[in-house]
Amino acid sequence: QVQLQESGPGLMKPSQTLSLTCTVSGGSISSGGYYWSWLRQHPVKGLEWIGYMSYSGTTFYSPSLKGRVTMSTDMSQNQFSLMLSSVTAADTAVYYCARARPGAGIVGATSGFDPWGQGTLVTVSS
Amino acid sequence: EIVMTQSPATLSVSPGERATLSCRASQSLSSNLAWYQQKPGQAPRLLIYDASTRATGIPARFSGSGSGTEFTLTISSLQSEDFAIYYCQQYNTWPPMYTFGQGTKLEIK
Repeated sequence: QVQLQESGPGLMKPSQTLSLTCTVSGGSISSGGYYWSWLRQHPVKGLEWIGYMSYSGTTFYSPSLKGRVTMSTDMSQNQFSLMLSSVTAADTAVYYCARARPGAGIVGATSGFDPWGQGTLVTVSS
Repeated sequence: EIVMTQSPATLSVSPGERATLSCRASQSLSSNLAWYQQKPGQAPRLLIYDASTRATGIPARFSGSGSGTEFTLTISSLQSEDFAIYYCQQYNTWPPMYTFGQGTKLEIK
């Protein structure tokens, strides 16, 4: 059974670059045609999709965060990562990594996130 | 951006009864909709994808229906472990720009 676990700093200062890593166990990130995803949950704004990528490096980012987001994989460690630049207080949230099920039709389309990591709280404060 | 609206915000139901949760999209999704359950302190868990297909390991008391802009999640006989927040999520847009509803809190009556 695939499990995901986020790791990264809990507290950041404005303008810094957030770096989070998701370690996948119970399966390889290079198998199965899945997409490896990041989402976040704001206390008030709710759940927000950040982006996802294939193991081969094809990426899809949310237009609202594009320009600040970079995702990458490390197949030797069975990990994938998120970098979010120029963080502000608005980026304070619980960050989740998740596996996205492949969708039908278009390559790159997905059909739900399953499973999710337990989440990690990132607070941006001066 | 497709806006997802869930109703009601809070639903009070007694154990053993049926719960019906609604999700409306601002434009047609075909059947590209998922439902999730989230309990306090936990990550969301996928229940339903493609509007009506149960995810692996999800009990048969959970069912999804609908297409286009109107969707429903039904829990046929509520168990104590079902009291949680439920979210819908659309994945119809291309390039992807996925959005979630604001959630329905299912509480014990």
